[in-house]
Amino acid sequence: GDSVTQMEGPVTLSEEAFLTINCTYTATGYPSLFWYVQYPGEGLQLLLKATKADDKGSNKGFEATYRKETTSFHLEKGSVQVSDSAVYFCALSRAQKLVFGQGTRLTINP
Amino acid sequence: ETGVTQTPRHLVMGMTNKKSLKCEQHLGHNAMYWYKQSAKKPLELMFVYNFKEQTENNSVPSRFSPECPNSSHLFLHLHTLQPEDSALYLCASSQEGGGGRVGELFFGEGSRLTVL
Repeated sequence: GDSVTQMEGPVTLSEEAFLTINCTYTATGYPSLFWYVQYPGEGLQLLLKATKADDKGSNKGFEATYRKETTSFHLEKGSVQVSDSAVYFCALSRAQKLVFGQGTRLTINP
Repeated sequence: ETGVTQTPRHLVMGMTNKKSLKCEQHLGHNAMYWYKQSAKKPLELMFVYNFKEQTENNSVPSRFSPECPNSSHLFLHLHTLQPEDSALYLCASSQEGGGGRVGELFFGEGSRLTVL
């Protein structure tokens, strides 16, 4: 069945560091791919998405590119801020069902 | 007013209690969902409702009973739960079909359930 694998957390970085959170997926066909973010005490929010191969999703300085050849959708940001501290979830969409990775907790220190 | 509102935010119950979680969406969406978020596990889809009709029951034990009286409201009725059911229960909504954005779910803040 469909599955999503994210890099193990937690990840701790200093402010202004470069961020990469790896995400790979297993699925038949070409699902849509998403990154959701969960800030402390809140529900999940859609951060960005890509619906077909080679699409790049971007929002709030974050980017991820849909790589069909490597079945990956890695999240990147060039310069993180303390306010980016949250849990990040990679997900794929199949027929109205979202399949999530286990989440990666990110902490940014000032 | 937030798009998806869940109540209560926190609930503590014994294994013999009966309680309900409530979710209301103010976004005009036609689909609603219950997800379970446990520590160190991926989010688990529990139930999906489209236009008030249940379209997905992801092998959820019968001690969890959903109810969707209309497209804006969703309940999760709880009875004779086990301590391992303690988790954050997240409600979400989306607009499906007719130009809706596939996979774009709007989540509530969750109801933190503790079963003693």
